[in-house]
Amino acid sequence: EVQLVESGGGLVQPGRSLKLSCVASGFSFSNYGMNWIRQAPGTGLEWVASISSGSSYIYYAETVKGRFTISRDNAKNTLYLQMTSLRSEDTALYYCTRTDYWGQGVMVTVSS
Amino acid sequence: DVLMTQTPVSLPVSLGGQVSLSCRSSQSLVHSDGNTYLHWYLQKPGQSPQLLIYRVSNRFSGVPDRFSGSGSGTDFTLKISRVEPEDLGVYYCLQSTHFPNTFGAGTKLELK
Repeated sequence: EVQLVESGGGLVQPGRSLKLSCVASGFSFSNYGMNWIRQAPGTGLEWVASISSGSSYIYYAETVKGRFTISRDNAKNTLYLQMTSLRSEDTALYYCTRTDYWGQGVMVTVSS
Repeated sequence: DVLMTQTPVSLPVSLGGQVSLSCRSSQSLVHSDGNTYLHWYLQKPGQSPQLLIYRVSNRFSGVPDRFSGSGSGTDFTLKISRVEPEDLGVYYCLQSTHFPNTFGAGTKLELK
C-alpha cells in the first residue's frame, strides 16, 4: 500500500524557517517524481514544487521561488521542503504527492 | 502560466442523476511526448484529494466506471453518471504538461 506521511509543520513567525518531511512507503520511491502542493484554509489547491526521481529536474511556483527548496533522499525514501522567509500567505495545509497518491497533509501556520 | 478554468463553480445534482464538469485550459495541454497530462481529482470534506482520472480519460485504480473523462487540446470534461452520496465534494482538474503545474479553481458537486 502506498503511503505518504508528512511531518514538520507548526506555528512559525513571519520571516522564520521550517522544514517539512514526507516519508514514502509501499513503492519504489527512487523511481518517481514527487511534488508538494498546498491548500490555504478554505481555498483551492496550489502547486508548490516538483522534483524528478533523481533530483535532476526541479521546478517551483513563482510564489515560493528563492524561498523554498525541494529535495529528496532516495536512500531514506524521504521528500523534503525547506521553507525560509515565511510569510503569512504561506499559511496552508501542505501535501506531499506522487500525482496519483497524496499524503494527509501537514499544517503550516505563519503568524506572529 | 496555463490558466485552468472550471465550470460551473457549483453543481446541484440529484442522487442517481448525471452531470458533466468542464475544464478548459488557456493553451494546449499536449506534451512534446504526445501525452496530455490532464487529471481529475475529488476532494471530499476533510480529506486529501483523490485521483479519479489521469491523462484525460484513464480511470485510476478502484474508481467506478460511473466516472469518465474525455477531451483534447484545451477542452476537457468529466462525466459522472448515477451520482451517489460519496461523489459529493469538490472536483479539481490539474494540468502537469507545463510548469508551473496549475489547478482549476474547482467545481463543488452538491445535492439539489
